[in-house]
Amino acid sequence: GENVEQHPSTLSVQEGDSAVIKCTYSDSASNYFPWYKQELGKRPQLIIDIRSNVGEKKDQRIAVTLNKTAKHFSLHITETQPEDSAVYFCAATEAGGSYIPTFGRGTSLIVHP
Amino acid sequence: DTEVTQTPKHLVMGMTNKKSLKCEQHMGHRAMYWYKQKAKKPPELMFVYSYEKLSINESVPSRFSPECPNSSLLNLHLHALQPEDSALYLCASSQDAGMNTEAFFGQGTRLTVV
Repeated sequence: GENVEQHPSTLSVQEGDSAVIKCTYSDSASNYFPWYKQELGKRPQLIIDIRSNVGEKKDQRIAVTLNKTAKHFSLHITETQPEDSAVYFCAATEAGGSYIPTFGRGTSLIVHP
Repeated sequence: DTEVTQTPKHLVMGMTNKKSLKCEQHMGHRAMYWYKQKAKKPPELMFVYSYEKLSINESVPSRFSPECPNSSLLNLHLHALQPEDSALYLCASSQDAGMNTEAFFGQGTRLTVV
């Protein structure tokens, strides 16, 4: 099955700095890579996703890059704000079967005002 | 309507109790999921229903019993739970379990077993 590694487990930045979270996956057939943000006590919510036919996707301050050859993808948040503080989970799905995302272990992002 | 609604939000139950968690979505999604999430950990998949049929059971103990009465509803029946089953139980749905599309999560039921 798919194995997703996520780093770092904790990331502390100052407001206005950039934050980068990295994930690697094991199944080269995976073709969909969503990122979820989970605030304390709340549900995971999709913030951005990327499919294997695209190398980069951007949505305002958030961007995701995918390197299929190296089997890694990254989340980039620019101009961080205190409300970006949350746990971020990357996920990868095995193609050809059910959409069952395998989650990374999560990154706790803390943005200091 | 892009909501997945879970009830109750909080549940405290004894080890001999029987209770049920409920999940509802009206997005026309044909895949629904139960996840268990411990503090500071990622969601762990428990069950997947695809077109109202159980398609995946991730070796979950029989004290957890899922049920899908129709395409909009998903239940999780609980019986004889252990304190270590205390966790946040998340329901999710997606358009189709065979397609790679976004999963929408409910707010979760925070379960405490005493």
